[in-house]
Amino acid sequence: NAGVTQTPKFRILKIGQSMTLQCTQDMNHNYMYWYRQDPGMGLKLIYYSVGAGITDKGEVPNGYNVSRSTTEDFPLRLELAAPSQTSVYFCASSTTTSGISEQFFGPGTRLTVL
Amino acid sequence: GEDVEQSLFLSVREGDSSVINCTYTDSSSTYLYWYKQEPGAGLQLLTYIFSNMDMKQDQRLTVLLNKKDKHLSLRIADTQTGDSAIYFCAERGSSNTGKLIFGQGTTLQVKP
Repeated sequence: NAGVTQTPKFRILKIGQSMTLQCTQDMNHNYMYWYRQDPGMGLKLIYYSVGAGITDKGEVPNGYNVSRSTTEDFPLRLELAAPSQTSVYFCASSTTTSGISEQFFGPGTRLTVL
Repeated sequence: GEDVEQSLFLSVREGDSSVINCTYTDSSSTYLYWYKQEPGAGLQLLTYIFSNMDMKQDQRLTVLLNKKDKHLSLRIADTQTGDSAIYFCAERGSSNTGKLIFGQGTTLQVKP
């Protein structure tokens, strides 16, 4: 099992450009999450999905979009990049929301918007 | 709204005990977690505690939960240089979405 994989690892964007951060998991998990991590701020939830075809906003969804056409993939789209979106982005997945409900994290994508 | 607070930095000597503290506001939290993040990596679950417990021990790790004060702590006994990392406290509320609220993370520096 590769677990949760994210691409790219690093990216520099110019203001106004768009890009898609890819996230794939091979654990057949229903639940998937996108977080951003800013220095000293912890992780903030951007969007989450409870299954294929279902997505919902988290704490900080503005400027982002997601889709969940398959169980495995949960891409995050930035349409008009802004310097405030400079951050490290983590994708996570879990098999259930009952019991321990451990979230498994990808290695992250470090994005800089100049 | 829901909030989780941690101190940002802790420095200890190798072999000492480390205690990382966390406070949270959501009284309906079901599980509370400690995640570890090593440099350049994602987060990994270190340990957790169910809200009806007040203590959990797992080898060198001891988690204490004071539900009345909404205070969680992680004690690492005999801290090693390999324990140097960022430690995140997180809480899960009673919703069925599995959403976690994370603290800011405590950077643990272990000096030889």
